[in-house]
Amino acid sequence: GEDVEQSLFLSVREGDSSVINCTYTDSSSTYLYWYKQEPGAGLQLLTYIFSNMDMKQDQRLTVLLNKKDKHLSLRIADTQTGDSAIYFCAEVGSGNTGKLIFGQGTTLQVKP
Amino acid sequence: NAGVMQNPRHLVRRRGQEARLRCSPMKGHSHVYWYRQLPEEGLKFMVYLQKENIIDESGMPKERFSAEFPKEGPSILRIQQVVRGDSAAYFCASSHDPGTEAFFGQGTRLTVV
Repeated sequence: GEDVEQSLFLSVREGDSSVINCTYTDSSSTYLYWYKQEPGAGLQLLTYIFSNMDMKQDQRLTVLLNKKDKHLSLRIADTQTGDSAIYFCAEVGSGNTGKLIFGQGTTLQVKP
Repeated sequence: NAGVMQNPRHLVRRRGQEARLRCSPMKGHSHVYWYRQLPEEGLKFMVYLQKENIIDESGMPKERFSAEFPKEGPSILRIQQVVRGDSAAYFCASSHDPGTEAFFGQGTRLTVV
């Protein structure tokens, strides 16, 4: 079945880089997404990557995709306290309906 | 262009009552998705609707839960005879086409007491 796995918690110091990892199972996924959720809020799309790409960079965010290992990572450069949140990776589920399969979320704690 | 609007933001129901959650998609979007987030967990897909049609309800509990997206008006997620285990955040998302970027609402946090 479809499954997305993430580590649950990451703690970094302000100014350091953060790397959040994710593994997925459905090799036919066309898009893979990273969402950010702040306490009590909805989900904000941070970035996404097409399955035919290896890397995508967007300001402080770098997404790396290893299709062979079905591994996705999100790197946040110069992490700030405002980056503290829960980060979800998601793949598009099978059936061409656009439904998303989410990981459990990684809580990022940024210490000053 | 307003984003995806969900209301109410918070809803408290006693066990056995009905909960009705509303979602107005972004303007021009005809594809709506409902997800449930239990405490300390990720989002789980519930149902995918287009106008007047349920396309995929593979994530919906078999009993007490129903969803609709009428020709006019918002999409409604209805939970009958709520139980404590229904307490969760319910998120709606909309997209212009399936598989394109989905925009999420702020969610409705349901508490069953």
